[in-house]
Amino acid sequence: DAGITQSPRHKVTETGTPVTLRCHQTENHRYMYWYRQDPGHGLRLIHYSYGVKDTDKGEVSDGYSVSRSKTEDFLLTLESATSSQTSVYFCAISARGGVDGYTFGSGTRLTVV
Amino acid sequence: KNEVEQSPQNLTAQEGEFITINCSYSVGISALHWLQQHPGGGIVSLFMLSSGKKKHGRLIATINIQEKHSSLHITASHPRDSAVYICAGTYNTDKLIFGTGTRLQVFP
Repeated sequence: DAGITQSPRHKVTETGTPVTLRCHQTENHRYMYWYRQDPGHGLRLIHYSYGVKDTDKGEVSDGYSVSRSKTEDFLLTLESATSSQTSVYFCAISARGGVDGYTFGSGTRLTVV
Repeated sequence: KNEVEQSPQNLTAQEGEFITINCSYSVGISALHWLQQHPGGGIVSLFMLSSGKKKHGRLIATINIQEKHSSLHITASHPRDSAVYICAGTYNTDKLIFGTGTRLQVFP
């Protein structure tokens, strides 16, 4: 979707290295989310943000941190990448949380070797 | 047991067939979403509904709040409908809980 972009689209990294994924939106939406998608699981929430500098943990937050210093950018950092963090990561945005719909980014495929 | 369950997990159909994908949920949700994901692709929102029925082209989504059940129907299916269809519920006002998806393949 033109209003939300994720970078990089693909990344291969080594175990133990830090990695940062970026989600950028041009919609001025308040809510931003990071999910991971793994075979056999539905998308699972890692962290989310409900405003600048306002973030909270999701169900699979261990090993991840986030930052949102401005409305348009939500960064996901893997502090020390592990093979279990090999996954496809999706960012999503929403203007009013659950009241209206969500727009998803195209995903980042991360491989930790 | 997942809080959002979809069936079937996999579905194959011939072009032109009527398709139904089901979603049941066990938590209180404020809205139900149907999403579409093409192979290797991003996720597109198809519908958000909290009651009744919505229609967009050949796609119809229904929800029964009392029975905690929703269905996605595709009429006159086409090979380009081949994708993974994901059901998700909004809970705690601002978070989504997802089903594991239904993989649909439509053959010419």
